[in-house]
Amino acid sequence: GAVVSQHPSWVICKSGTSVKIECRSLDFQATTMFWYRQFPKQSLMLMATSNEGSKATYEQGVEKDKFLINHASLTLSTLTVTSAHPEDSSFYICSARDNWSDSYNEQFFGPGTRLTVL
Amino acid sequence: AQTVTQSQPEMSVQEAETVTLSCTYDTSESDYYLFWYKQPPSRQMILVIRQEAYKQQNATENRFSVNFQKAAKSFSLKISDSQLGDAAMYFCAYRGTASKLTFGTGTRLQVTL
Repeated sequence: GAVVSQHPSWVICKSGTSVKIECRSLDFQATTMFWYRQFPKQSLMLMATSNEGSKATYEQGVEKDKFLINHASLTLSTLTVTSAHPEDSSFYICSARDNWSDSYNEQFFGPGTRLTVL
Repeated sequence: AQTVTQSQPEMSVQEAETVTLSCTYDTSESDYYLFWYKQPPSRQMILVIRQEAYKQQNATENRFSVNFQKAAKSFSLKISDSQLGDAAMYFCAYRGTASKLTFGTGTRLQVTL
């Protein structure tokens, strides 16, 4: 159990376009999902916390208008990178918490999405 | 703010031997959780082991165990009988009352024959 999927697994886009990344909890409901960014050979940096039915909470330094997060259901959160530029190229990872299980303190991670902006 | 420090960028261990990865953290909270995650080349984050701060007993999961020293704010991971499949990036992570994870910079573990 506790599987999180991401779609797409990789995407290449032109500079100036917008890209949407989906994060789904497949076998549990998640009121809270997290979005991370990982540059090559670096650690995961939390971008924002996504809460179902309410606005996301962004970490300091993360542009809210550039990285739009929508958590419209208990199993789906989306991250939209608007007007993407080459410096947005990175590996984006989501995670989710199962608030109704004994492992509620654990985050389950998706497989990640590699974004390349040309 | 909480910080997590992994002072070993790279470690190497021979197959079947034991290796210890270090992690220290800084927090003013008394109730928190600590984790070790493994990230293989596929980049899928895999939970290795978890420790609740209120528990004095060190967590163990098969070949993986931790040495949790709360007063020293130290949380090291010991891998016994290392296998080739253990080669990966290992991240130490902290979760406090804010519910979000703070990761260390990671340790790349190589396993040699």
